[in-house]
Amino acid sequence: GAGVSQTPSNKVTEKGKYVELRCDPISGHTALYWYRQSLGQGPEFLIYFQGTGAADDSGLPNDRFFAVRPEGSVSTLKIQRTERGDSAVYLCASSLDRAGQGTDTQYFGPGTRLTVL
Amino acid sequence: EDQVTQSPEALRLQEGESSSLNCSYTVSGLRGLFWYRQDPGKGPEFLFTLYSAGEEKEKERLKATLTKKESFLHITAPKPEDSATYLCAVQALFSGAGSYQLTFGKGTKLSVIP
Repeated sequence: GAGVSQTPSNKVTEKGKYVELRCDPISGHTALYWYRQSLGQGPEFLIYFQGTGAADDSGLPNDRFFAVRPEGSVSTLKIQRTERGDSAVYLCASSLDRAGQGTDTQYFGPGTRLTVL
Repeated sequence: EDQVTQSPEALRLQEGESSSLNCSYTVSGLRGLFWYRQDPGKGPEFLFTLYSAGEEKEKERLKATLTKKESFLHITAPKPEDSATYLCAVQALFSGAGSYQLTFGKGTKLSVIP
C-alpha cells in the first residue's frame, strides 16, 4: 500500500517568511510524528499527534513552530518568521499506535528539505 | 535523558567483508530499540525492532542483537547495495504525555566497495 507522503519535497524560502509543510500518513494510522534532521545528525522529535490532538509538543524549539491535524489524517507543520537555523530536512512518521500493547513501528516519509536563505 | 551513541561514525568495507555496527544506549526503561536504514535524500526505512535483552532478528545479510546496554547490527558478506546510513533509535517505556517518540543516534555511514 501507499506509504507516508510529504509535500513539497524541497522548499526554498527567505529569512522571515512563513512556510507550511504537509504530511499524508499511512491510511489507518492514528499516530503521527514530526521530526527534524540536520546534516550529519539523527532525526530529532518535534511533535506527536494521537488523532486530531497534539499529545506531545515538547520537541518544538520555540513558538514559531506550530502543527495541526484537524481531521486526524493529514498534518501540516507551520513555521513563522523562518530563520537560517531552521534549514533542515523535516520528516513525518506514522504508526498504528496501539497504546498499551507494546511498541508500534514508525514509518517515515521521504521528508521535506527546507532551505532558508 | 535518553541517549543513543553509535559507532563507528563511518565504516568502509570490501564486498564480502563482514562487520558489526554498535549502538550504545541509556534510557529510563526500554520499550523498544529500532534499527533503520537511510539512503541519501530519503527517509529512514524500518529494519528491526528489538524489545528485550537476548533478542535477535535477521533479515537477509543483516542480524540485530540486543543487550541491556547496547545493540549490534551484524552485516554478513555485504554487497555494494548495503551502502547506506544505519540509524539506531530507542523508545522509552515511560514517556511524557504518552508519547512514543524515538530518540535517535547520529548513525553509521556504511560504504561497501566492490
